[in-house]
Amino acid sequence: AQSVAQPEDQVNVAEGNPLTVKCTYSVSGNPYLFWYVQYPNRGLQFLLKYITGDNLVKGSYGFEAEFNKSQTSFHLKKPSALVSDSALYFCAVRDYNQGGKLIFGQGTELSVKP
Amino acid sequence: DTAVSQTPKYLVTQMGNDKSIKCEQNLGHDTMYWYKQDSKKFLKIMFSYNNKELIINETVPNRFSPKSPDKAHLNLHINSLELGDSAVYFCASSRGLAASYEQYFGPGTRLTVT
Repeated sequence: AQSVAQPEDQVNVAEGNPLTVKCTYSVSGNPYLFWYVQYPNRGLQFLLKYITGDNLVKGSYGFEAEFNKSQTSFHLKKPSALVSDSALYFCAVRDYNQGGKLIFGQGTELSVKP
Repeated sequence: DTAVSQTPKYLVTQMGNDKSIKCEQNLGHDTMYWYKQDSKKFLKIMFSYNNKELIINETVPNRFSPKSPDKAHLNLHINSLELGDSAVYFCASSRGLAASYEQYFGPGTRLTVT
């Protein structure tokens, strides 16, 4: 069965510093990986995805993610964090064997302090 | 222009009542989903429809019944509401079932059962 894990419940970063939100996956076959962000009392917003090709994927709001097949990881990164990046971040894998549903990690709360 | 909309945004009701949540997408997508986010922010698929056909029906109590009158709408009806149904329900859509397609989420409906 496909699964993703986000090992950190919370990540704290100072504004202007680089940030990393970690995600590891377990899939049979090729992984289709996604990152979403949820701001307080809002729906999820799509940030970026890895389907195939370049291991470094660029997305919205200056975020990028690095796909690492040997480490089965798909960490979300940003070179310089903003206070407005504070939100809940979800990594997800698309399960194409089960109707294409998204399987989400447990979420990581990112807090960026001025 | 709202891509995926849900009504109502908030729903407070008593145990035993029947309620519906409506979802509409104006993206021209073929596939729509319902997800449940519990109090710990964990997200889980409930149903998906593709071109009005039920694709995914997770282990959800049969008190929950989705209905898709057309490709742009996927409603969720809940009978005999229970305290444990309190959660945020998200509707989402994607271009199709292909694993490469990202999903777009509505703003959520916060259901509180008292």
